[in-house]
Formats: sequence, C-alpha cells, structure tokens
Amino acid sequence: QVQLQESGPGLVKPSETLSLTCTVSGDSVSRGSYFWSWIRQSPGKGLDWIGYVYYTGSTSYAPSLKSRVTISLDTSKNQFSLKLRSVTAADTAVYYCAGETSVTTIFDSWGRGTLVTVSS
Amino acid sequence: DIQMTQSPSSLSASLGDRVTITCRASQVISNSLAWYQQKPGKAPTLLIYEASRLESGVPSRFTGSGSGADYTLTINSLQPEDFATYYCQQFYSTPRTFGQGTKVEVK
Repeated sequence: QVQLQESGPGLVKPSETLSLTCTVSGDSVSRGSYFWSWIRQSPGKGLDWIGYVYYTGSTSYAPSLKSRVTISLDTSKNQFSLKLRSVTAADTAVYYCAGETSVTTIFDSWGRGTLVTVSS
Repeated sequence: DIQMTQSPSSLSASLGDRVTITCRASQVISNSLAWYQQKPGKAPTLLIYEASRLESGVPSRFTGSGSGADYTLTINSLQPEDFATYYCQQFYSTPRTFGQGTKVEVK
C-alpha cells in the first residue's frame, strides 16, 4: 500500500474548474504498480469512480464526466491531479484519491478525502 | 457500464449476529469483485477482493462468496466496530462501478 494525500481548494464557484492534487508517498507514480485514481462521494451518497491515469500517461474516465475531466501525472513531484471543468452544485462531494493496484486491480490505498463545495 | 445492485440498503443487527449482504452485477463479472467498509467521515477500506480473498489484516469473521453475477458478504458474529456502511465494487471492466451501499446499524 501507499500513502496518499489530497490537497486543493475547498470552495469552487459554479462554472469554474475544480483542481485537486494527490501527493503519493511509498511508491513512485512513474512505476507501473498502480492506476492512480479519483473517486468522489456526494454528501450522504455512495461512491462514484471518476477515472485514473497510469504511469504511461494513459487515462480512463467515467463516461458521464469524460467531457469535463482530466487526470494527469506530475512525475517530478510524485503527484497526480484532477481537473473538473464547468462545475455545478452537483459536483459538490468528498473527493478521494486512490491507488488501484495494477496486478489485482483493487483500491488498496486511499487518501483521507477532501470536501469540495461548489457555491457562489 | 456494469450496474451493481446491493441489498438490503440498510439493516439492523445485534452484537454477535450473522449479517449477509448481497451484490448483483448486471452481467457476469467472473469474481472481479471487492468489498469495502466505510465508517462516517473516513475513507473506505478494503475487506475482500476477487470475491473471496481476505485482505491482509481483516478479521476472519468477514467472508466473501459468490460467482457469475451474484456475490455475498457475510459478517459472522458482528462486533461493535463492524457497524458501518459496506460497498461492493466490480473491477471486471471500466468504468469501475460500486453498489449503492448497505448501512449496518445497531438494533
């Protein structure tokens, strides 16, 4: 398992871009051990997968968000990031970064989560 | 997308009870299923993967079973720390999808 920590603004205005970063320790994002993932949970709701980036730079996104989302790596800082454009109140959620193991493809590492509220 | 349907959405149980939660996928997922536990204000933690493999450090009272599209999480002899919400998740294909959750409450 690896240690993950989310960071970024807790408040974003409608129509703007939500930007979060996940700092990884205990492994390198440049290795192929994990698919570096984002998952969100709206208040009182279940878990929704947003997507992942692999060390090669390849990505996979949830179809419902694909037109608005970008997940990318910053290998120099051992981080990966989430950008979600044109946000609305429906994007208010706790955002988790997570590591999906590349061998068993399970989420065995999670950040603590960060609440992002979309409001003017 | 593969839809994951959990039942029940909530249940009430007492200490020492056996609890069973089911998860049905909208297609065969060939044991590509994981179970997570989530406590309020915390991130989910992995309990079981590949339908029946216990994650290291997870108590043996948690067991997973099933095949095809139908899977079960059983908690034998419910302990105080087991009151939480449980989610199934398929990793057969992308997009990864979760069940809606089952909240286990004190009876």
